[in-house]
Amino acid sequence: AQSVSQHNHHVILSEAASLELGCNYSYGGTVNLFWYVQYPGQHLQLLLKYFSGDPLVKGIKGFEAEFIKSKFSFNLRKPSVQWSDTAEYFCAVNTGTASKLTFGTGTRLQVTL
Amino acid sequence: EPEVTQTPSHQVTQMGQEVILRCVPISNHLYFYWYRQILGQKVEFLVSFYNNEISEKSEIFDDQFSVERPDGSNFTLKIRSTKLEDSAMYFCASSEWGNTEAFFGQGTRLTVV
Repeated sequence: AQSVSQHNHHVILSEAASLELGCNYSYGGTVNLFWYVQYPGQHLQLLLKYFSGDPLVKGIKGFEAEFIKSKFSFNLRKPSVQWSDTAEYFCAVNTGTASKLTFGTGTRLQVTL
Repeated sequence: EPEVTQTPSHQVTQMGQEVILRCVPISNHLYFYWYRQILGQKVEFLVSFYNNEISEKSEIFDDQFSVERPDGSNFTLKIRSTKLEDSAMYFCASSEWGNTEAFFGQGTRLTVV
């Protein structure tokens, strides 16, 4: 069975700082990778996804993520965070044959002014 | 933009009572899911549903849980006899196909007292 690890549980950054959130997964076969964001009081929204092709994927709101197969990683990045990026970020994976998503524990990002 | 809607947003119930959580998936989607998130923990998969039957379920989804698509639009999760540990945020999601991105509803916060 697949699993997902997010190493940073709580990150505090000042506005304009750069962001990188780590995500590692364990699964030996083909995977689809996702980053979801949950703003306070709102539902999970998809930031970006990787199915195949270019391992550097760009999502909404200036976020990007890079799939490094050899490291089983899919880290999320943003060059310059804004106060409005304060939210919880979840990495998730599903496999090519099963549809369920397996989530990491989430990273709470707090951006200060 | 089409969205997944869930009702109610908050449900308080007494231990041992039955609850039904309701969801309206996106209309052209074929796969439906329920996830839950206990406070402070990660989002966990409960069940997936396709072609009017359960396609996969987790260990959490025991005999106390059931799902149904009673008509062409609703997708429900029933908990027959609620326990204190069922208190969580329950998310419904839908996807067009089994391995495409899932769209989440805003969740139902279930509190069992």
